[in-house]
Amino acid sequence: DAGVIQSPRHEVTEMGQEVTLRCKPISGHDYLFWYRQTMMRGLELLIYFNNNVPIDDSGMPEDRFSAKMPNASFSTLKIQPSEPRDSAVYFCASSPPWVKVAGELFFGEGSRLTVL
Amino acid sequence: DAKTTQPPSMDCAEGRAANLPCNHSTISGNEYVYWYRQIHSQGPQYIIHGLKNNETNEMASLIITEDRKSSTLILPHATLRDTAVYYCIVRPGGYSSASKIIFGSGTRLSIRP
Repeated sequence: DAGVIQSPRHEVTEMGQEVTLRCKPISGHDYLFWYRQTMMRGLELLIYFNNNVPIDDSGMPEDRFSAKMPNASFSTLKIQPSEPRDSAVYFCASSPPWVKVAGELFFGEGSRLTVL
Repeated sequence: DAKTTQPPSMDCAEGRAANLPCNHSTISGNEYVYWYRQIHSQGPQYIIHGLKNNETNEMASLIITEDRKSSTLILPHATLRDTAVYYCIVRPGGYSSASKIIFGSGTRLSIRP
């Protein structure tokens, strides 16, 4: 089975540009999570979805960040406008329903974002 | 959610057992203990989880104390590929709680040849 697929793997952009990160969760998983990782702050949960509906976005840093999940097989995390402090590795993860397995997360390989 | 405390770093000789401790003194009755690891530049990887009883799988063993206030992850025969940051996490069980998994700073385990 394919795992969680993220794109792009690497993105270099200039301050002020719009950035869109993409994620395809594992088929059959109904939870999707976006995390951000930096050296200073570690792994931070930004937002998560259940059945395509955002459940908790309290970790989204500010209005420049938005996330959508238009269907069960696709999610985007958008930053507009981007700033140098947004430079980080962004991970997407998915999880099957708790009633099937114990709800462990399956992570993608991450998207490394550099904002100059 | 209960918080966890882990040593920031540990090292272990290749071929020996690596024992990674975790304190979770405020854990509540319905909270599970999970372990993940993150090998450099990869996404975190699930290792094992448990509620009360000790658990073992092909990767590791999880020993939870009787009062559930601490646990130990055991890698029985550590290899160089086990060098990673190991995260101990507690989270509620139940269908509605396949939700926030909050990662702390973890333990950086170095396996020496």
